[in-house]
Amino acid sequence: GIQVEQSPPDLILQEGANSTLRCNFSDSVNNLQWFHQNPWGQLINLFYIPSGTKQNGRLSATTVATERYSLLYISSSQTTDSGVYFCAVAFSGGYNKLIFGAGTRLAVHP
Amino acid sequence: NAGVTQTPKFQVLKTGQSMTLQCAQDMNHEYMSWYRQDPGMGLRLIHYSVGAGITDQGEVPNGYNVSRSTTEDFPLRLLSAAPSQTSVYFCASSYVGGRTYEQYFGPGTRLTVT
Repeated sequence: GIQVEQSPPDLILQEGANSTLRCNFSDSVNNLQWFHQNPWGQLINLFYIPSGTKQNGRLSATTVATERYSLLYISSSQTTDSGVYFCAVAFSGGYNKLIFGAGTRLAVHP
Repeated sequence: NAGVTQTPKFQVLKTGQSMTLQCAQDMNHEYMSWYRQDPGMGLRLIHYSVGAGITDQGEVPNGYNVSRSTTEDFPLRLLSAAPSQTSVYFCASSYVGGRTYEQYFGPGTRLTVT
Protein backbone atom coordinates (compact mmCIF):
# COMPACT_ATOMS: atom_id res chain seq x y z
CA GLY A 1 0.00 0.00 0.00
CA ILE A 2 0.89 3.67 -0.09
CA GLN A 3 3.59 4.48 2.46
CA VAL A 4 3.76 8.27 2.14
CA GLU A 5 0.67 10.15 1.06
CA GLN A 6 0.54 13.90 0.45
CA SER A 7 -2.51 16.11 0.11
CA PRO A 8 -3.77 18.01 -1.68
CA PRO A 9 -2.10 16.98 -4.96
CA ASP A 10 -2.63 20.44 -6.45
CA LEU A 11 -3.19 23.84 -4.90
CA ILE A 12 -3.80 27.24 -6.47
CA LEU A 13 -3.52 30.36 -4.32
CA GLN A 14 -3.71 34.10 -4.68
CA GLU A 15 -0.67 35.93 -3.40
CA GLY A 16 -1.04 36.63 0.31
CA ALA A 17 -3.15 33.56 1.10
CA ASN A 18 -2.23 30.91 3.66
CA SER A 19 -2.14 27.17 3.08
CA THR A 20 -1.60 23.86 4.85
CA LEU A 21 -0.02 20.84 3.18
CA ARG A 22 -0.36 17.42 4.75
CA CYS A 23 1.83 14.30 4.77
CA ASN A 24 0.55 10.99 6.14
CA PHE A 25 2.89 8.06 6.62
CA SER A 26 2.21 4.42 7.34
CA ASP A 27 4.73 3.54 10.06
CA SER A 28 7.08 4.95 12.68
CA VAL A 29 9.69 7.26 11.20
CA ASN A 30 13.19 8.26 12.19
CA ASN A 31 13.56 10.95 9.58
CA LEU A 32 11.07 13.30 7.96
CA GLN A 33 12.02 16.11 5.64
CA TRP A 34 10.07 18.71 3.66
CA PHE A 35 11.52 19.91 0.36
CA HIS A 36 10.55 22.56 -2.14
CA GLN A 37 11.33 21.76 -5.76
CA ASN A 38 11.45 25.04 -7.60
CA PRO A 39 10.50 25.49 -11.27
CA TRP A 40 14.14 24.91 -12.25
CA GLY A 41 14.11 21.48 -10.64
CA GLN A 42 16.27 22.25 -7.61
CA LEU A 43 15.40 20.48 -4.37
CA ILE A 44 15.60 22.91 -1.47
CA ASN A 45 15.62 21.67 2.11
CA LEU A 46 12.83 23.30 4.10
CA PHE A 47 12.66 21.31 7.32
CA TYR A 48 14.22 18.29 8.95
CA ILE A 49 11.43 17.42 11.38
CA PRO A 50 10.99 13.80 12.54
CA SER A 51 8.97 15.21 15.45
CA GLY A 52 7.90 18.52 16.96
CA THR A 53 7.42 21.96 15.48
CA LYS A 54 9.79 24.28 13.64
CA GLN A 55 9.43 27.68 12.04
CA ASN A 56 11.47 29.47 9.41
CA GLY A 57 10.08 32.83 8.37
CA ARG A 58 6.71 32.40 6.69
CA LEU A 59 7.01 28.62 6.76
CA SER A 60 6.44 26.30 9.67
CA ALA A 61 6.07 22.57 10.08
CA THR A 62 4.68 20.20 12.67
CA THR A 63 5.15 16.44 12.87
CA VAL A 64 2.99 14.34 15.20
CA ALA A 65 4.92 11.09 15.02
CA THR A 66 2.51 9.14 17.23
CA GLU A 67 -0.35 9.94 14.85
CA ARG A 68 1.78 9.51 11.72
CA TYR A 69 1.35 12.85 10.01
CA SER A 70 3.18 16.07 9.32
CA LEU A 71 1.87 19.47 8.28
CA LEU A 72 3.61 22.25 6.38
CA TYR A 73 2.14 25.73 6.79
CA ILE A 74 2.81 28.51 4.30
CA SER A 75 1.63 31.95 5.36
CA SER A 76 1.30 35.09 3.22
CA SER A 77 2.21 33.13 0.10
CA GLN A 78 4.33 34.72 -2.61
CA THR A 79 4.74 33.83 -6.29
CA THR A 80 8.21 32.53 -5.48
CA ASP A 81 6.57 29.83 -3.32
CA SER A 82 5.31 28.15 -6.49
CA GLY A 83 6.65 24.69 -7.27
CA VAL A 84 6.27 21.20 -5.85
CA TYR A 85 6.48 20.42 -2.14
CA PHE A 86 7.69 16.96 -1.20
CA CYS A 87 7.50 15.13 2.07
CA ALA A 88 10.08 12.36 2.46
CA VAL A 89 10.39 9.88 5.32
CA ALA A 90 12.74 7.16 6.46
CA PHE A 91 11.08 4.42 8.44
CA SER A 92 12.47 2.87 11.60
CA GLY A 93 15.59 0.85 10.83
CA GLY A 94 16.24 2.84 7.64
CA TYR A 95 17.46 6.17 8.95
CA ASN A 96 18.77 7.42 5.64
CA LYS A 97 16.63 5.64 3.02
CA LEU A 98 14.14 8.33 2.17
CA ILE A 99 10.76 7.44 0.66
CA PHE A 100 9.13 10.36 -1.12
CA GLY A 101 5.49 11.23 -1.41
CA ALA A 102 4.08 12.21 -4.80
CA GLY A 103 4.20 15.90 -3.88
CA THR A 104 1.82 18.86 -3.72
CA ARG A 105 2.02 21.16 -6.74
CA LEU A 106 1.51 24.76 -5.65
CA ALA A 107 0.82 27.68 -7.97
CA VAL A 108 0.68 31.16 -6.44
CA HIS A 109 -0.82 33.83 -8.69
CA PRO A 110 -0.24 37.58 -8.28
CA ASN B 1 31.79 24.55 0.86
CA ALA B 2 30.23 23.41 -2.43
CA GLY B 3 27.85 20.86 -0.85
CA VAL B 4 26.75 18.13 -3.27
CA THR B 5 27.85 18.56 -6.87
CA GLN B 6 26.80 16.56 -9.92
CA THR B 7 28.10 16.37 -13.47
CA PRO B 8 27.00 16.59 -16.18
CA LYS B 9 23.87 18.75 -15.91
CA PHE B 10 22.40 17.37 -19.14
CA GLN B 11 23.16 14.28 -21.20
CA VAL B 12 21.67 12.62 -24.28
CA LEU B 13 22.50 8.97 -24.94
CA LYS B 14 21.57 6.50 -27.61
CA THR B 15 20.08 3.16 -26.60
CA GLY B 16 22.85 0.74 -25.63
CA GLN B 17 25.45 3.37 -24.78
CA SER B 18 27.06 3.46 -21.35
CA MET B 19 27.98 6.41 -19.19
CA THR B 20 28.84 7.47 -15.65
CA LEU B 21 27.08 10.18 -13.71
CA GLN B 22 29.40 11.85 -11.24
CA CYS B 23 28.54 12.92 -7.69
CA ALA B 24 30.81 14.48 -5.09
CA GLN B 25 30.30 16.01 -1.65
CA ASP B 26 32.63 17.99 0.58
CA MET B 27 30.73 17.69 3.89
CA ASN B 28 32.46 14.47 5.03
CA HIS B 29 29.13 12.65 4.96
CA GLU B 30 29.26 8.89 5.28
CA TYR B 31 25.94 8.26 3.53
CA MET B 32 25.47 8.92 -0.18
CA SER B 33 22.66 7.88 -2.46
CA TRP B 34 21.20 8.15 -5.95
CA TYR B 35 17.55 8.83 -6.77
CA ARG B 36 15.68 9.14 -10.01
CA GLN B 37 12.69 11.37 -10.62
CA ASP B 38 10.25 10.62 -13.42
CA PRO B 39 7.76 13.23 -14.65
CA GLY B 40 5.05 14.07 -12.12
CA MET B 41 6.47 11.76 -9.47
CA GLY B 42 8.50 11.84 -6.33
CA LEU B 43 12.06 10.56 -6.14
CA ARG B 44 12.86 6.85 -5.96
CA LEU B 45 16.02 5.38 -4.45
CA ILE B 46 18.36 3.57 -6.86
CA HIS B 47 21.48 2.72 -4.80
CA TYR B 48 23.03 3.95 -1.60
CA SER B 49 26.27 3.71 0.36
CA VAL B 50 26.96 4.05 4.08
CA GLY B 51 30.70 4.45 3.65
CA ALA B 52 33.66 3.76 1.40
CA GLY B 53 33.54 0.20 0.11
CA ILE B 54 29.91 -0.37 1.19
CA THR B 55 26.98 -0.13 -1.24
CA ASP B 56 23.48 -1.56 -1.39
CA GLN B 57 20.41 -1.54 -3.60
CA GLY B 58 17.43 0.72 -3.25
CA GLU B 59 13.96 0.47 -4.75
CA VAL B 60 14.88 0.62 -8.47
CA PRO B 61 18.47 -0.71 -8.92
CA ASN B 62 18.16 -2.61 -12.21
CA GLY B 63 20.37 -1.27 -15.01
CA TYR B 64 22.63 0.73 -12.68
CA ASN B 65 25.94 0.03 -10.95
CA VAL B 66 27.69 1.94 -8.18
CA SER B 67 30.93 1.79 -6.25
CA ARG B 68 32.35 3.92 -3.43
CA SER B 69 36.11 4.08 -3.25
CA THR B 70 36.31 7.39 -1.35
CA THR B 71 34.13 9.24 1.14
CA GLU B 72 33.70 12.14 -1.28
CA ASP B 73 32.64 10.44 -4.51
CA PHE B 74 29.76 8.16 -5.49
CA PRO B 75 29.47 7.62 -9.27
CA LEU B 76 26.45 6.00 -10.90
CA ARG B 77 27.07 3.85 -13.98
CA LEU B 78 24.53 3.05 -16.66
CA LEU B 79 25.79 -0.11 -18.34
CA SER B 80 23.53 -0.18 -21.43
CA ALA B 81 21.17 2.77 -21.56
CA ALA B 82 17.48 2.18 -22.30
CA PRO B 83 14.70 4.71 -23.03
CA SER B 84 13.11 3.73 -19.68
CA GLN B 85 16.14 5.32 -17.99
CA THR B 86 15.20 8.76 -19.29
CA SER B 87 14.82 10.68 -16.06
CA VAL B 88 16.32 13.29 -13.78
CA TYR B 89 18.95 11.84 -11.46
CA PHE B 90 19.70 13.30 -8.04
CA CYS B 91 22.56 12.50 -5.71
CA ALA B 92 22.23 13.10 -1.97
CA SER B 93 24.37 12.83 1.14
CA SER B 94 24.00 12.88 4.92
CA TYR B 95 25.62 11.77 8.15
CA VAL B 96 25.04 8.28 9.46
CA GLY B 97 24.13 8.49 13.11
CA GLY B 98 24.66 11.54 15.26
CA ARG B 99 22.11 14.25 15.89
CA THR B 100 20.73 14.56 12.39
CA TYR B 101 20.05 12.45 9.34
CA GLU B 102 19.14 15.45 7.19
CA GLN B 103 19.92 14.75 3.54
CA TYR B 104 21.25 17.32 1.09
CA PHE B 105 20.64 17.00 -2.63
CA GLY B 106 22.70 17.94 -5.64
CA PRO B 107 21.30 19.98 -8.56
CA GLY B 108 20.44 16.92 -10.66
CA THR B 109 21.41 15.45 -14.04
CA ARG B 110 18.76 15.40 -16.76
CA LEU B 111 19.29 12.29 -18.90
CA THR B 112 17.53 11.52 -22.16
CA VAL B 113 17.94 8.13 -23.86
CA THR B 114 16.81 7.97 -27.48
